[in-house]
Amino acid sequence: QKEVEQDPGPLSVPEGAIVSLNCTYSNSAFQYFMWYRQYSRKGPELLMYTYSSGNKEDGRFTAQVDKSSKYISLFIRDSQPSDSATYLCAMSGLGGYNKLIFGAGTRLAVHP
Amino acid sequence: GAVVSQHPSRVICKSGTSVKIECRSLDFQATTMFWYRQFPKQSLMLMATSNEGSKATYEQGVEKDKFLINHASLTLSTLTVTSAHPEDSSFYICSATLDSATNEKLFFGSGTQLSVL
Repeated sequence: QKEVEQDPGPLSVPEGAIVSLNCTYSNSAFQYFMWYRQYSRKGPELLMYTYSSGNKEDGRFTAQVDKSSKYISLFIRDSQPSDSATYLCAMSGLGGYNKLIFGAGTRLAVHP
Repeated sequence: GAVVSQHPSRVICKSGTSVKIECRSLDFQATTMFWYRQFPKQSLMLMATSNEGSKATYEQGVEKDKFLINHASLTLSTLTVTSAHPEDSSFYICSATLDSATNEKLFFGSGTQLSVL
């Protein structure tokens, strides 16, 4: 069993739709949860960074963490074609040097 | 924002040759840099942690003699793939941390696509 599971998609939605992306994990030691956006053949870009359980909102993006269920989500409201990319979840334990464990990424396509 | 530059973006080489990939933090000093490998439709896998002025720490299963890492300054780390073979073909990405106390200050390069013929 992988430490982090993420549905690879692809996920295709019309412009303006609400997108829900999810990851599950098995290691209860994870404390920090991140969502990255990666365009094709580029490095990941940090979208959301959360600590422990709860919600965090930034513009059209909302990240949710449910540690009791070992489940994290990223919601994108009013999705735009420019949101088309691969979204990677990542998580780590305590401390900045801890290894980031990435999900496989979900490919999202937002069509006009 | 912090910028991490990675070069080259794409390289094609013959089997048995060595390839060097550079990772530079352009506007900050990074005491720690990380190297990842990403196969198509798979997650980024950490290969090694590179600390300025000391030997790199490799993840389990990564051959340190094959993937040579040098972190000679606070702004430059290099990854050399020695005697490359077709199975080494992959997307290699570096990252550098602005603040070792948090992964929120971790910035990624744009990646290098290595194709070994």
